[in-house]
Amino acid sequence: GDSVTQTEGQVALSEEDFLTIHCNYSASGYPALFWYVQYPGEGPQFLFRASRDKEKGSSRGFEATYDKGTTSFHLRKASVQESDSAVYYCALGKTQVVGQLTFGRGTRLQVYA
Amino acid sequence: EAAVTQSPRNKVTVTGGNVTLSCRQTNSHNYMYWYRQDTGHGLRLIHYSYGAGNLQIGDVPDGYKATRTTQEDFFLLLELASPSQTSLYFCASSPDWVQDTQYFGPGTRLLVL
Repeated sequence: GDSVTQTEGQVALSEEDFLTIHCNYSASGYPALFWYVQYPGEGPQFLFRASRDKEKGSSRGFEATYDKGTTSFHLRKASVQESDSAVYYCALGKTQVVGQLTFGRGTRLQVYA
Repeated sequence: EAAVTQSPRNKVTVTGGNVTLSCRQTNSHNYMYWYRQDTGHGLRLIHYSYGAGNLQIGDVPDGYKATRTTQEDFFLLLELASPSQTSLYFCASSPDWVQDTQYFGPGTRLLVL
């Protein structure tokens, strides 16, 4: 079945560091790919999505490029801030079942001032 | 901005107890979802619905029932709660099928003693 694997556990960075959170997927065809962000005490929020090979999604300085060849959708940001501290989820839209997203296990980003 | 509300925000019950979690969205979205969030597992889909009276099974449905009474209201029922159902529960809605953004509520924290 469809699955998403992302960087496990926590990523600790200092302000202005470069961020990469890896996301790889397993699915047939061209599933839509998503990044969601969850701040403490809140529900997840949609960050951005991409639907086609080589399409770039971006929002709030974060970006990711859909790569069908490597089945990846890695999240990157050039210069993180303390306010970016949150849990980040990669997700894909199931290709065989309408209306469902499959989420990765989440990656906690902690940015220190 | 889509609005999804959940009640109660916190709930404690005992093993074998009967629990109902409520979700309301005020954006006329067709799809509504119930997820549970657990450390090490991320977000897992329990049940979802694409309209009043409709129910679809998600990835982890055992021990849960759901009912969609109106387009706005979606309920999750635990008729014989067990400690394994201690979790953070999120409701979400989206205006169309999987390609669209899912808007999440603030969550309900359930503790089963």
